[in-house]
This record gives sequence, C-alpha cells and structure tokens, in this order.
Amino acid sequence: RKEVEQDPGPFNVPEGATVAFNCTYSNSASQSFFWYRQDCRKEPKLLMSVYSSGNEDGRFTAQLNRASQYISLLIRDSKLSDSATYLCVVNMVGNFNKFYFGSGTKLNVKP
Amino acid sequence: NAGVTQTPKFRVLKTGQSMTLLCAQDMNHEYMYWYRQDPGMGLRLIHYSVGEGTTAKGEVPDGYNVSRLKKQNFLLGLESAAPSQTSVYFCASLVGAAGTEAFFGQGTRLTVV
Repeated sequence: RKEVEQDPGPFNVPEGATVAFNCTYSNSASQSFFWYRQDCRKEPKLLMSVYSSGNEDGRFTAQLNRASQYISLLIRDSKLSDSATYLCVVNMVGNFNKFYFGSGTKLNVKP
Repeated sequence: NAGVTQTPKFRVLKTGQSMTLLCAQDMNHEYMYWYRQDPGMGLRLIHYSVGEGTTAKGEVPDGYNVSRLKKQNFLLGLESAAPSQTSVYFCASLVGAAGTEAFFGQGTRLTVV
C-alpha cells in the first residue's frame, strides 16, 4: 500500500470555479503535512503546510483530518495560473525526516 | 541565491554506461534526498543523507549508489544504466529534523537507450 494516495485527475474546471482535492495517508504516526505544486517539467515547490486546525492562504484552504487520515486542499475562484499538478506530502519527522509524496492531482483551469 | 543546483539537466546514456548526477546546495542544509519521478508514480525516494558522510537507502535504491563527502554535495551514481532507469531525477534538501520545506533542484532528465 502506498504511503500517500491521491486521485490523479485530471480535474478540468472553468475559471472562477471552486475545486477540492483529497489525499489519504496510511501511517497514523505521520506528523507533518504539506501541499506542493508542480508545474509541467518543473520541480515541486511548497504551496502550503497543513495544520491540524486548518489554514488558509488567500484562495487556498488546507485541512487535516487525523482521525480519518486525510488531507484536503480547496481552491476558490480558480485562475488559469492555478493549472498544475498538486502533490500531497507527508513527513514523519522521527523517520529520518522522510518526505512521502503522493503521485499528484492534475488541475486544468480553462477559460 | 542558487539554492539547489543539479547537473546535468539532460543526459542520454546507452545501456551499461555509468554516470554521476551532482546535487549542490548552498543553504547549509543537513538533509539531502534523491528522488525519481515517473508518470503516474509520483516521487519515489532513492537514497537520502542526514549529514556529511552518512547515507541511507530509500524506497527504490537498487541500481544506484550515493556519496556525501561534503555537506553541500550529494552525488547519485548509476554504475550500469538500464532502460528502467529512464526517469526524471530530483534532488532536494532540508535544513534538518525541524525543517518543514524541502527545496528541490530543477531536475535531471535521463534517458537510457
């Protein structure tokens, strides 16, 4: 079983739409959670960390449900520039700080 | 700031050839990682290092070796390349156990024919 699982998509949405991605993780000892963004043929870059209380950064909202072991990312008012692949990342600090990546969810925002 | 730099960016190898990928970071980070990314597979950890002189195996270490002789450099070696090693390779670094953001290099696209 993969450490982190995501729906690969693609999610095709019009500009202005609200879209949500979910991600599940298998190890309940996981301690830190993140969403990374990866543009085509580029390296992943940190989008936002995910905190237990939930956190928001502009149009982006991330939530964590430890009981059900899932993480979500909500994007409101989608822009063309949001088109990318979104990677769910789980970190177990005690396990030599290994980052486990999901395979990514592709988002296409269309005019 | 250069951040994390990978060389080369592109390479084509013949089966059986060897090569070394170099990852250099100028952020004084302790932790460094090598990942490979294949379509539909996400990033998979090959090897990692928690400090100068130390290395450890990740999820998919077979066919690869690594060395961390200097803190700023993490080398990934392919002793005898195989077509199954055709992939995009990413290096990443992290400040340490409390680090929350992994910084990635721009990737190396390797094709083994």
